[in-house]
Amino acid sequence: GESVGLHLPTLSVQEGDNSIINCAYSNSASDYFIWYKQESGKGPQFIIDIRSNMDKRQGQRVTVLLNKTVKHLSLQIAATQPGDSAVYFCAESVSNDYKLSFGAGTTVTVRA
Amino acid sequence: DAGITQSPRYKITETGRQVTLMCHQTWSHSYMFWYRQDLGHGLRLIYYSAAADITDKGEVPDGYVVSRSKTENFPLTLESATRSQTSVYFCASSQGRENTIYFGEGSWLTVV
Repeated sequence: GESVGLHLPTLSVQEGDNSIINCAYSNSASDYFIWYKQESGKGPQFIIDIRSNMDKRQGQRVTVLLNKTVKHLSLQIAATQPGDSAVYFCAESVSNDYKLSFGAGTTVTVRA
Repeated sequence: DAGITQSPRYKITETGRQVTLMCHQTWSHSYMFWYRQDLGHGLRLIYYSAAADITDKGEVPDGYVVSRSKTENFPLTLESATRSQTSVYFCASSQGRENTIYFGEGSWLTVV
């Protein structure tokens, strides 16, 4: 699979490989995290979320990992497909505050 | 299920004009949000609303006005448009703090 250790704005991945997208969050009080996918010309689409009492959560072909010690969040996409090409955003929020703060986003391009 | 609809989807206006972007949701969600998305800044919260007649400022509220007389509508008004308000605007809604925030398809606004 292909991954980025630090947040990078772009990620190019071979079709069929696994992708890892990283996100560093800034607020140690944040306890709810979401990954969104945004395709060109569309609004952000919910992928998966995780709360701070968990360190891993799995969905369909996606896994989110949370490391609160270093304030790091990652999204793993298994068997990346052309339809996975998009910009991926992580977002965080704090208890009793429903506002989301978004990261800068990572553009994922899938190579055939 | 219509979800969230935004109008207009595309708008060109002149500096100094008043512009209103409409947002309508069919889920009866309590919370509604307006974000703007600019290259290099990601998604930034402009205003949000916890319920009808309750609104509050987000990260970048200057130059914008909102209202929420009905639960399903959350219009955003630019009182006197400036070029710096050229952006893509996203409306979003959520049932509550523990629930996913869903986004509309966006309104592309150009101020000339």
